[in-house]
Amino acid sequence: AQSVTQLDSQVPVFEEAPVELRCNYSSSVSVYLFWYVQYPNQGLQLLLKYLSGSTLVKGINGFEAEFNKSQTSFHLRKPSVHISDTAEYFCAVIPYSSASKIIFGSGTRLSIRP
Amino acid sequence: DAEITQSPRHKITETGRQVTLACHQTWNHNNMFWYRQDLGHGLRLIHYSYGVQDTNKGEVSDGYSVSRSNTEDLPLTLESAASSQTSVYFCASSEAGVNYGYTFGSGTRLTVV
Repeated sequence: AQSVTQLDSQVPVFEEAPVELRCNYSSSVSVYLFWYVQYPNQGLQLLLKYLSGSTLVKGINGFEAEFNKSQTSFHLRKPSVHISDTAEYFCAVIPYSSASKIIFGSGTRLSIRP
Repeated sequence: DAEITQSPRHKITETGRQVTLACHQTWNHNNMFWYRQDLGHGLRLIHYSYGVQDTNKGEVSDGYSVSRSNTEDLPLTLESAASSQTSVYFCASSEAGVNYGYTFGSGTRLTVV
């Protein structure tokens, strides 16, 4: 079975500060990795994904994530956040063996202070 | 442009009533999913379908049903609404066998009183 752990349920940061949202996963098979963002009162939107190749993945809105196989982690980073980044962020995996069913973490609420 | 549409956006219903939430996608995706989102629980899978006439139970399927008569639609029915089913419901779709992630609808906020 697979599981995704987002270590922080809430992360408050000041505007223009860097941020890292942590994600660890557990799986007996290889997985594809995703980060989704959910702005208030909206659905989830794909931020970035890791399928294969370079372990550093760049996404929309200046976000990037690094896949670390030995640590089974896929942390999300942004060097300088804006008020508009206020949202909930979900880490997710799709195991190779069940290519169509995604498993989500519980989410991290990012709040930006001016 | 292709899209995935959920309706209604908001619904208030009474305990015991049957309710159907609509999900329509024009991506021509084979895979469709229903999730509920509750504070402290993240997103939980209710039902999913890998194609026409195919339906499968997710982790929280009790009290819900789906049917897939065409590629575009996967309606979610609450047979007899309960207060525990007050939640935000999201529909999603994805291509079969290609792991580009899911495309989500904007959600339906259901309140059972």
